[in-house]
Amino acid sequence: SAVISQKPSRDICQRGTSLTIQCQVDSQVTMMFWYRQQPGQSLTLIATANQGSEATYESGFVIDKFPISRPNLTFSTLTVSNMSPEDSSIYLCSARPQAETQYFGPGTRLLVL
Amino acid sequence: AQTVTQSQPEMSVQEAETVTLSCTYDTSESDYYLFWYKQPPSRQMILVIRQEAYKQQNATENRFSVNFQKAAKSFSLKISDSQLGDAAMYFCAYRSPLPYKYIFGTGTRLKVLA
Repeated sequence: SAVISQKPSRDICQRGTSLTIQCQVDSQVTMMFWYRQQPGQSLTLIATANQGSEATYESGFVIDKFPISRPNLTFSTLTVSNMSPEDSSIYLCSARPQAETQYFGPGTRLLVL
Repeated sequence: AQTVTQSQPEMSVQEAETVTLSCTYDTSESDYYLFWYKQPPSRQMILVIRQEAYKQQNATENRFSVNFQKAAKSFSLKISDSQLGDAAMYFCAYRSPLPYKYIFGTGTRLKVLA
């Protein structure tokens, strides 16, 4: 298994600003993932972050809006840039220490005013 | 395309009773994994149970068990002796073979009535 922490746990931001979310895993993992979850909804994959390479973005998500860093095998950041109220959501970090199972962080609740 | 369907947006169960949450999926693969995740209100998503498709035996974890019907592409979760702490959103998920893509269902909100 994996223990995943995220910072901040929640934030209220003004439109036009940017927020960087940090994700820390308690073990080295090759693959980390960033998801967005609207309240009461399912998860939407934003991107896959592999250490040593550029993140791979899903359709509808672009690097300029959601830049991701993956400096080592236990850490990743997601930045939500030039925020608008439509970016209000829960952002989840996930890691896959073994091939078959993903584990999730507690999420970052973002409200953009 | 692979899909995961949870047809029950919301379910209720009396404390100490048994409830079954439904999940169906569509895939042409034969080797894959299926999962149930639990997400309590404002809390972390946690893994409840997982099933390897090539295993005939249904997975069991304490009060949680699955009914895996591979031919029917059905993967239901049974919660026995329901407790108030079981109240949560439950997500069914499918993991494909390489590149190990995860697909989540839309979730079932489970309410446990005292």
